[in-house]
This record gives sequence, structure tokens and C-alpha cells, in this order.
Amino acid sequence: AQSVTQLDSQVPVFEEAPVELRCNYSSSVSVYLFWYVQYPNQGLQLLLKYLSGSTLVKGINGFEAEFNKSQTSFHLRKPSVHISDTAEYFCAVSPSFSGGYNKLIFGAGTRLAVHP
Amino acid sequence: DTGVSQDPRHKITKRGQNVTFRCDPISEHNRLYWYRQTLGQGPEFLTYFQNEAQLEKSRLLSDRFSAERPKGSFSTLEIQRTEQGDSAMYLCASSLRPRDTQYFGPGTRLTVL
Repeated sequence: AQSVTQLDSQVPVFEEAPVELRCNYSSSVSVYLFWYVQYPNQGLQLLLKYLSGSTLVKGINGFEAEFNKSQTSFHLRKPSVHISDTAEYFCAVSPSFSGGYNKLIFGAGTRLAVHP
Repeated sequence: DTGVSQDPRHKITKRGQNVTFRCDPISEHNRLYWYRQTLGQGPEFLTYFQNEAQLEKSRLLSDRFSAERPKGSFSTLEIQRTEQGDSAMYLCASSLRPRDTQYFGPGTRLTVL
């Protein structure tokens, strides 16, 4: 079975400051890794995903994440946040197979609050 | 693409009533997923379809829950004899192929009184 732990339930940060949202996972099989964002009253939107290749993954809106297999982590970073980045961020994993992946297993989420 | 749509967006019902939700995936997407999200938690997988075949069901999906995708296009999720614990946001997602991004709809918020 797989599980995802998002280490911070809330992260307050000032505008233009850097931010890191932490995600650790547990799995006995290979997994694919994802970060989704949920803006207020909107559906989940994919920020980025790691399927294979380079462990540093770049996504939309200036976000990036690094896959660390030895530490089973997939932390999300942004060098300078904007007020518009205020949202709920979800880390997710999915067991991988040769053809792709199926269900997503989500963490509980981290609420990023960007203050002026 | 018009995106994944879900109907209704909100549903209030009394305990014991049956409810049905509809999901229309992005056109030509073969895969369709249902998730449930309760307040303060991440989405939890319920079930998924490859075309019209239901390939996996979570243990969360009790006998009161049933999902269908009769022609491989839209899907319905029915909850019979609703309970207060069923109150949640029900999310639908679709993807073209197993390796592709899952695109989520806006969800149906169910409140059971």
C-alpha cells in the first residue's frame, strides 16, 4: 500500500519570499509523483508530475519539485511567491506499471497563505 | 476541450434518500475516475473505468454506492440510503491514456441532513 504525508498543514509566507512545501511518501513499489493545486471554489489542477528521467521537475506558474528516492520525498518549491499562489496544494502518488498509472493517492494537503 | 463537467454542483438531501451524480469527461478520454474529498482532507480514490469497464473499486465504495459508464462516455455515481457520513465533495477526473494527466472536474458537493 502507498501513503503520502504532507508535513505542514499550513504555510504562511510573505509575498516575493521563497517557499517549500514538503511531501514524503511510503511505497513498496515504484511510484509516480504529482503535485496538484486547488484554488478556492475551483477544481484540482496539475502543477507538475514525475514519471521518469530528471529528478528535478519544472511545472506551471514557476513551481518545481525534486524527487529524492533515498529520502522518499518530493518537495515543491517556488523561489518567489505571489498573492495569487494562495491555495491548497496536494501531493499525490500512484503505483507505476509499464503502461502508466491508475489511481492517485493524495496527502491531506498544505494550505499556502501568501501575505502582502 | 471544454473540460470535465459534473452535475449537479451542489446537492442537499435527507438521510435515507438516494442521490445520483453525473460526470461528463473530456471528449475521447477513455479513462474516468471518481474520488471523494471530505473537509480538510485530500481526495480519496473510489473507482475508475477504462471505457465502459469498471476496473477497480476502493473498499471505501460500500454496497450503497454504484457507478456506471454505460457507453464509455459519461458516468453516474449513485448513493443509496444516504448517511450523514456521505457528506463530501465528489470529484470526477478523466484521462486519455493511463500515462496521461488526470483532469479534474469542479466536483459535486453533497450535504446529507
